Amino acid sequence: GQNIDQPTEMTATEGAIVQINCTYQTSGFNGLFWYQQHAGEAPTFLSYNVLDGLEEKGRFSSFLSRSKGYSYLLLKELQMKDSASYLCAVRDSNYQLIWGAGTKLIIKP
Amino acid sequence: DTAVSQTPKYLVTQMGNDKSIKCEQNLGHDTMYWYKQDSKKFLKIMFSYNNKELIINETVPNRFSPKSPDKAHLNLHINSLELGDSAVYFCASSQGFREAYNEQFFGPGTRLTVL
Repeated sequence: GQNIDQPTEMTATEGAIVQINCTYQTSGFNGLFWYQQHAGEAPTFLSYNVLDGLEEKGRFSSFLSRSKGYSYLLLKELQMKDSASYLCAVRDSNYQLIWGAGTKLIIKP
Repeated sequence: DTAVSQTPKYLVTQMGNDKSIKCEQNLGHDTMYWYKQDSKKFLKIMFSYNNKELIINETVPNRFSPKSPDKAHLNLHINSLELGDSAVYFCASSQGFREAYNEQFFGPGTRLTVL
């Protein structure tokens, strides 16, 4: 079956750096996405990786290793507003998005 | 202007009733989706339409029926509602289905509670 694994919950301190890992086993691969979802709101797009390596976008970066079935989302200079769930999703050989359960990130002052 | 809109935002109803959720996108996208997010926060794809054609039809009860009158609208009708249908339902859209950079834009969600 298809599977996306991410930690259920992480805690970090304001101003620090946090890395959220995602491992996947899917039938085929056509890109990996990270979305942010604040409580009670809709998911919003953060990043997209299809080739190995690091994609940087401001305070957020996302890394992909296709051979290892692994990605991480790196958040720098954490702010209180970064408290949210972070969803990893992989597009499989049928171009269908398979979603992880999300990592709830709690930021403490 | 709201990119992807859904109505209603909240829906409280009795078991056995029939209800509909409407979704509209003004982004000019070709592909639209319905997702269910349960209490454990898993986003599960239910249906996807590309240019009004059904392309993803996951294993959902046939009480759920999508309808796409045009490519800007994808409505979800649910018959004979059950307690287990209580969840947040998200509509989303994307430029196409096979494009490489295929960001999905989500509506605000409809919180369905079945009593």
